[in-house]
Amino acid sequence: DTAVSQTPKYLVTQMGNDKSIKCEQNLGHDTMYWYKQDSKKFLKIMFSYNNKELIINETVPNRFSPKSPDKAHLNLHINSLELGDSAVYFCASSLRDSMRFYEQYFGPGTRLTVT
Amino acid sequence: SQQGEEDPQALSIQEGENATMNCSYKTSINNLQWYRQNSGRGLVHLILIRSNEREKHSGRLRVTLDTSKKSSSLLITASRAADTASYFCATDRGGYNKLIFGAGTRLAVHP
Repeated sequence: DTAVSQTPKYLVTQMGNDKSIKCEQNLGHDTMYWYKQDSKKFLKIMFSYNNKELIINETVPNRFSPKSPDKAHLNLHINSLELGDSAVYFCASSLRDSMRFYEQYFGPGTRLTVT
Repeated sequence: SQQGEEDPQALSIQEGENATMNCSYKTSINNLQWYRQNSGRGLVHLILIRSNEREKHSGRLRVTLDTSKKSSSLLITASRAADTASYFCATDRGGYNKLIFGAGTRLAVHP
C-alpha cells in the first residue's frame, strides 16, 4: 500500500524537451510538496500546495510549473529542460493546521537525467 | 537558503556503538525534524521536536534541542547495520510547513 507514489521513477531526456512528473498520495493529507535533491544530496523545497492552493513558491525558474488537480495529486511540469535540472525530485505530503506541526511523508523520488 | 548544517558530514562506526549527529541552524524555529534517507530511497520521518521541548525519545533514538545555541543532536544507541543511511535535520520557521534541510550526515554502521 504505497502512501506517496511518483511516476516515473527514472526519466532520461534531452535538453530542450518538456517533461512531467506525477505524484499521488493516499494518506488523506491536504498539503503536498515538491523538493529537488542535487548530486550533493542537498534537498531544497520548490513548491507546496494546500487544498489545491499554491502556498510555497520558492525561487524556481518559471520553466517549472506545478499543478494540483485535487488534494491527492500534485504534478510537476518542466519546460525546456536544461542540464542543471538533472537531479532527484521528491514529492511529499502532510497534514497542515494552525494548531500543531506535522511530519512529511516522502515519495520514492524521480531521478531526472538531462543529456 | 540552507538553514541547517549537520556535522559530521560522514560517520563510520561498528555495530553496537552509539552514533551522534549534530545540527545547527541560523534563525528561530517552531520545530525541528530529523529524517533518514536510505540509498536511492525517499526520506523517512524519525522525530519532530517543538521549539519549547528539550528532549524527545523514540525507541533507540534520542533528540535534543538547544534553542539558545540553535542546535540539535540525534543519538542512535546500539546501532545496527540497518541504520546505515543519511540523516537530515530540517527546520520549520513557522507557517506552511516549509522545511529547510541541512546537508545531512552519512552514517555507515559496519557489522
